[in-house]
Amino acid sequence: AQTVTQSQPEMSVQEAETVTLSCTYDTSESDYYLFWYKQPPSRQMILVIRQEAYKQQNATENRFSVNFQKAAKSFSLKISDSQLGDAAMYFCVSMDSNYQLIWGAGTKLIIKP
Amino acid sequence: NAGVTQTPKFQVLKTGQSMTLQCAQDMNHEYMSWYRQDPGMGLRLIHYSVGAGITDQGEVPNGYNVSRSTTEDFPLRLLSAAPSQTSVYFCASRAGQGSYEQYFGPGTRLTVT
Repeated sequence: AQTVTQSQPEMSVQEAETVTLSCTYDTSESDYYLFWYKQPPSRQMILVIRQEAYKQQNATENRFSVNFQKAAKSFSLKISDSQLGDAAMYFCVSMDSNYQLIWGAGTKLIIKP
Repeated sequence: NAGVTQTPKFQVLKTGQSMTLQCAQDMNHEYMSWYRQDPGMGLRLIHYSVGAGITDQGEVPNGYNVSRSTTEDFPLRLLSAAPSQTSVYFCASRAGQGSYEQYFGPGTRLTVT
C-alpha cells in the first residue's frame, strides 16, 4: 500500500520569504501522480500543483514549485515570495494506478507579517 | 456551474441517530467519492463510485452506506451515528478514466454527541 509522510506538522515563514515543505512517499508503482493541496481556514480543498511521475522536469505554477526526486521518493513544495494568503494546511497527496488518493497528515503553514 | 455541492454544512447528531449527507455535482463526472478528515490526519476514503449504479468501499467504510442512482448525486448515509464518526466529510468528483484532478465540495462538519 502507498503511504505519504509529511514530517513537519507546522512551519512558519516571514512574509515575502521562501519556504519549503517536505514530503516523502512510498509506492511500488511505476506510474503515479503527486499533488500538493492547500486547505485554508474556509476548509475548501484547492489543488496547488501536480507532478506526473514519468516527467523528470519539476512542475512550476507561478510562485509554487516542486523538487521531485523519484529515486529518493521525495516531493517537496517550495513557496517563493510568501504572501499572507498562503497561510493554510498543505497536504501532500499521491494517486495510485486505481486513481485513489493517499493523503499525508498535512503541514500547517503560518505566514508572519 | 456550481461544481460540487454538499448539504448540510454543519450537523449535530445524537448517538444512534441516522442521517444522510447530500452531495451533488453538475459537471457530468463519472467518478465520485466520500472522504472523512479527522484532526491531525489527511483525508481517508470512505466509499466511491465509478458511475451510476456502481459503488465500492474505500479505506474506512464501516458505519456508512452509499448509493448512486444518478450521475449527479452521491448521498452518504450514517446508519447509527457514533461519536467516532465526528469528523469533517468531503465529497469529491472526477471526470473519469484518465483524468487526475478531483473537485471537492465545501465539506460537512458532523458532531455526534
